[in-house]
Amino acid sequence: DGGITQSPKYLFRKEGQNVTLSCEQNLNHDAMYWYRQDPGQGLRLIYYSQIVNDFQKGDIAEGYSVSREKKESFPLTVTSAQKNPTAFYLCASSMSPGANVLTFGAGSRLTVL
Amino acid sequence: KQEVTQIPAALSVPEGENLVLNCSFTDSAIYNLQWFRQDPGKGLTSLLLIQSSQREQTSGRLNASLDKSSGRSTLYIAASQPGDSATYLCAFASGSARQLTFGSGTQLTVLP
Repeated sequence: DGGITQSPKYLFRKEGQNVTLSCEQNLNHDAMYWYRQDPGQGLRLIYYSQIVNDFQKGDIAEGYSVSREKKESFPLTVTSAQKNPTAFYLCASSMSPGANVLTFGAGSRLTVL
Repeated sequence: KQEVTQIPAALSVPEGENLVLNCSFTDSAIYNLQWFRQDPGKGLTSLLLIQSSQREQTSGRLNASLDKSSGRSTLYIAASQPGDSATYLCAFASGSARQLTFGSGTQLTVLP
């Protein structure tokens, strides 16, 4: 079945460490997105990529970095510069950059100890 | 900047009741509006998408309406079931997916 796989599901990090969240899709979608979700808040866009080797900052990109070396993969690195990284992170994809129907992964919960 | 508000933040109803979830937005230049379901600790599942030219969409027991003039969308759930318990989010699109603005969601609990 086609879909989006995020890993790990749960991740614990010590302060000062960088961590990378994986996102893989087999939908042959061109565009991929990373969102952050905090309790009681809507999703906020961190980064998005419309095509391989290209990505753009979203609304809250500070302290995060991404890469898009393959169409299927869009990993997100939470760096030590992110002051409040504890959150639920969601990866999504859409068929084309102009499409706005998203398919979401199951999410990764990051907790900073 | 577009704002999307969902009220109430939480709702608890007995099984079998019909219910309405509300979503309001500030920008009438809407492209489409989507309703999503999110189970605890899970990703989002798209339920209904209403284009700006449409007034409503139906899927099974779900009906979503869109009133651009008043800046409101409603999600109607008929004959609610415990399996409907989840958080329901609406998202306003002013263009492509990178321009989606999400509401904070309504957490629905249907009591058996």
